[in-house]
Amino acid sequence: QVQLQESGPGLVKPSETLSLTCTVSGGSISSYYWIWIRQPPGKGLEWIGYIYYSGSTNYNPSLKSRVTMSVDTSKNQFSLKLRSVTAADTAVYYCARGTVADDWGQGTLVTVSS
Amino acid sequence: DIQMTQSPSAMSASVGDRVTITCRASQGISNYLAWFQQKPGKVPKRLITAASSLQTGVPSRFSGSGSGTEFTLTISSLQPEDFATYYCLQHNSYPFTFGPGTKVDIK
Repeated sequence: QVQLQESGPGLVKPSETLSLTCTVSGGSISSYYWIWIRQPPGKGLEWIGYIYYSGSTNYNPSLKSRVTMSVDTSKNQFSLKLRSVTAADTAVYYCARGTVADDWGQGTLVTVSS
Repeated sequence: DIQMTQSPSAMSASVGDRVTITCRASQGISNYLAWFQQKPGKVPKRLITAASSLQTGVPSRFSGSGSGTEFTLTISSLQPEDFATYYCLQHNSYPFTFGPGTKVDIK
């Protein structure tokens, strides 16, 4: 079964860029959609968007102006960048396989604070 | 965007109870509805896709039904390990959207 692992800074300053990478193991990143979901502490889930292995993307309009996703098939990784972060972006960020989240990473807490 | 609502937002139940959670979509989504279970501090787990298709390994006490705008998740006999928060997700049109969640705790 494919495994996913998020990595990146756990603390980001306001107005800076949040950058996370998801490493896929146990399977190829090719031929699937890969997504990011986030969950603010004590709150519900938000679907951020997807990237296809070919590089095509679809972002949640609520974040579209600040989000960029990319994929590196040679490293079996895909990434999320969220610009101009505020405290409202503090959340556990999950990466997952498939647009309906077949398999999930463990999640990584990113706190936005100075 | 399609808005998803869930009712109730929270409930208390006893082991052995039959539990029903409702999810409503602001517009028709056919059967493009998934259910997830999340326990505190844990990763969400997908239980059901296509409104009623149980994922492999999910106990048969879980079932889903519905189409269009109204859906239900039913737990036929609540077990101790079922105390969790349940989320629906519409995957009919982008952006996919989750319901706000239903917390099921112990009475």
